[in-house]
Amino acid sequence: AQTVTQSQPEMSVQEAETVTLSCTYDTSESDYYLFWYKQPPSRQMILVIRQEAYKQQNATENRFSVNFQKAAKSFSLKISDSQLGDAAMYFCAYRSAGKNTDKLIFGTGTRLQVFP
Amino acid sequence: EPEVTQTPSHQVTQMGQEVILRCVPISNHLYFYWYRQILGQKVEFLVSFYNNEISEKSEIFDDQFSVERPDGSNFTLKIRSTKLEDSAMYFCAGRTGLISPLHFGNGTRLTVT
Repeated sequence: AQTVTQSQPEMSVQEAETVTLSCTYDTSESDYYLFWYKQPPSRQMILVIRQEAYKQQNATENRFSVNFQKAAKSFSLKISDSQLGDAAMYFCAYRSAGKNTDKLIFGTGTRLQVFP
Repeated sequence: EPEVTQTPSHQVTQMGQEVILRCVPISNHLYFYWYRQILGQKVEFLVSFYNNEISEKSEIFDDQFSVERPDGSNFTLKIRSTKLEDSAMYFCAGRTGLISPLHFGNGTRLTVT
């Protein structure tokens, strides 16, 4: 079974600085998707960024980028130029690319605080 | 931008009571899901639903749980006889296709007393 581990329960960063959130996963599959979701106090889970395992190039979305290391099964999220609105819980998630399942497997989350 | 909406935002019920959580997905969604998040713990998959039937369910989704989409718009999760351990945030989600992004609702906080 696949597992997702986020070893940092809490992280903090100053506004305008850069922070990296860690995520590792375990799978025997070769084709899958990885995601970072943001959950602000409003509770809604918002997709931040997505990576297909077959793509070597790291995904980027504006200030958000990932460092995807397939061999190491590592998928970290880098937030550049942090803003107060980035404060939230961040969840790393895995999804098989197989046809039998499309469920997301989540990590336990990292709470990010942003200080002015 | 269209959103997945969930009602109510908070529901309190007594142990043993039936509860129905409601979700209105975005109109062009075809795949529907329920996830739950016990306070302070990870988000867990409950069930996926496509073409008016369950396509996958987790071990959490036992006989006390059921889902349906009775009128082609609302997607509901019913818990027949709630237990204390059912207290959690329940999230509905939907997508248009299998590789399209998953859109989550704001969640319903269920408190079982």
